Order: sequence, then C-alpha cells, then structure tokens
Amino acid sequence: NAGVMQNPRHLVRRRGQEARLRCSPMKGHSHVYWYRQLPEEGLKFMVYLQKENIIDESGMPKERFSAEFPKEGPSILRIQQVVRGDSAAYFCASSPWGGTEAFFGQGTRLTVV
Amino acid sequence: QKEVEQNSGPLSVPEGAIASLNCTYSDRVSQSFFWYRQYSGKSPELIMSIYSNGDKEDGRFTAQLNKASQYVSLLIRDSQPSDSATYLCAVNGGNAGNMLTFGGGTRLMVKP
Repeated sequence: NAGVMQNPRHLVRRRGQEARLRCSPMKGHSHVYWYRQLPEEGLKFMVYLQKENIIDESGMPKERFSAEFPKEGPSILRIQQVVRGDSAAYFCASSPWGGTEAFFGQGTRLTVV
Repeated sequence: QKEVEQNSGPLSVPEGAIASLNCTYSDRVSQSFFWYRQYSGKSPELIMSIYSNGDKEDGRFTAQLNKASQYVSLLIRDSQPSDSATYLCAVNGGNAGNMLTFGGGTRLMVKP
C-alpha cells in the first residue's frame, strides 16, 4: 500500500509564475490536509478537503491560493503569481475519515526566485 | 479556534534518560490526539495516537492523556541520539470539526 505521494518534490518558480502542487492520498483515504512550513517554524494549517468538497479553508490566504480534491485524481494546491514569501515546504496529509490518524507525504519544497 | 501549545525547547536529555514532552490544548471537547516526529528537512511521521484518558504504551514511547486538565504528554524511555528531532502534538475533533491542528513542536536533543 503506497503512502501519500506528493509531486514534485522540488519546484522552482520565478516571481509571477504559477505553482501547482499535487497530492495523491493513501488508498482508501478520502480526507486531505495541506500545511505550509517555513524553515525552523511549525506546521501552518492551510486547507482541509474531502472528495469534491472544501471542508475548512480558514488557513488559506484569500488571494492567489486555491485547492481542490476532485472525484478522480490527486488533490491540487495552486498558487498563482508566486512571490518570494511563498517559498516554503508544503506538506499534505491524508486520513481515511475525519478525526483519525493522518499520514504525511514527503512534501514539496517550493523556491521562488 | 483551537490552540495547541508546546514548549519549543530545546529539551536536552542524556542518552538513556526519560524524555518528557508536554502539550496543552484549548478546545475541551477535542477527541483525538497524536504525536508526530519530524527530523530536520523531513516530513512529520506519526508515532503515537491516543483517544481516551490514561496511558498508551508502544515500545519505548508512552502517550498520556488527561482530558480534564486538557493536556497530553509523550514519554520516551531509554532516549537515544536518534530520537533527536522535533516532536509535534496534534489535536483533532471537537468544536472545530475534524481539522487537525498542530502545536509548534518541541525540539528534543539527546546527548550521547
């Protein structure tokens, strides 16, 4: 049973470009969480999704950031018009249902140059 | 808004000692509690989950939950240098639904 898969592992974007981060949950998991982590800092919650639904996006910046988890395919975190402050590690985690153990992917390290 | 608080550390213990990590949470009706370990530059790894009051042991790790006092702790017996990492407390359930909220983490250093 494969774990949570995130790709790409490393992503370099120029200021103003778009970044798309993908997260394939573990088999049988229908809940996905996205977190951002700056160097030497804690995990900051961004968004919590179930298949085809955004459950909680209270941690998402109002502009430029969006997330989806379609019926088929991976969850996508999209950052439009990236700025240097978006440089961070982005982690997703999945769980079979809410309130249970969540498992993390390896993360995507985004660097904006 | 749920809050989860941890002492950032670093907590330094000698090899072979017991490391005690603590976490408090603000949402009294939270239901699920987790401890993750994160090595520098790596992703968080789930090491313990606990759902009811009392102790839960798994190898050298013991999680303790006290819902009345709203704290959860992690004990690491016979600490090894390889245990040196940041330990993250996470809380789920309660008034904020199933959002998984993390504390800031405690950095543990085990000295040989």
